[in-house]
Amino acid sequence: EDQVTQSPEALRLQEGESSSLNCSYTVSGLRGLFWYRQDPGKGPEFLFTLYSAGEEKEKERLKATLTKKESFLHITAPKPEDSATYLCAVPLQTNSGYALNFGKGTSLLVTP
Amino acid sequence: EAGVTQFPSHSVIEKGQTVTLRCDPISGHDNLYWYRRVMGKEIKFLLHFVKESKQDESGMPNNRFLAERTGGTYSTLKVQPAELEDSGVYFCASSEGEAVNTGELFFGEGSRLTVL
Repeated sequence: EDQVTQSPEALRLQEGESSSLNCSYTVSGLRGLFWYRQDPGKGPEFLFTLYSAGEEKEKERLKATLTKKESFLHITAPKPEDSATYLCAVPLQTNSGYALNFGKGTSLLVTP
Repeated sequence: EAGVTQFPSHSVIEKGQTVTLRCDPISGHDNLYWYRRVMGKEIKFLLHFVKESKQDESGMPNNRFLAERTGGTYSTLKVQPAELEDSGVYFCASSEGEAVNTGELFFGEGSRLTVL
């Protein structure tokens, strides 16, 4: 069964302590992998799109990478304002087309 | 530029009652999506409009849910009658092109539904 799994569920970092979040997927024929950031009480906010293994995208302290089985969101020297839930999603086929299938997310807390 | 707006932000209703959620997408976005997050679960796709037409409603849980998009502008999602398991956060999102190709979805802040 096609699915998206994120780990860890929650992560607590000290400010400046770099780490990585994982998104593993079991999808045949990946059409893209997308990362989002969600703040409490808000909707997800689009961050990155990755299409093929080896591809990397960067934005400020965030870097997303993609392999054939998983994607990593690397956070370098995080700041408290990076605290949020990070979601990944892949398009999965439905009866009528394709729809985004989300993982449960990783809740990141960065403390001063 | 205004983002995606949803109303109400929170609704508390009794089991068996009816609730209508509204979504105003970003102006000019033909694609409108409804998603739902039930407590402890991942965000799940409900349906996709292109302009006023339902492109894909494969994620709608059952016939108690009815979505419409009048004139290709705002959309409503009605739950009638509501059941306890309908509680969750309902997100609306819009995009210019089909989001499954780029992931570039713009989400609203969500409508939290609590069914007692």
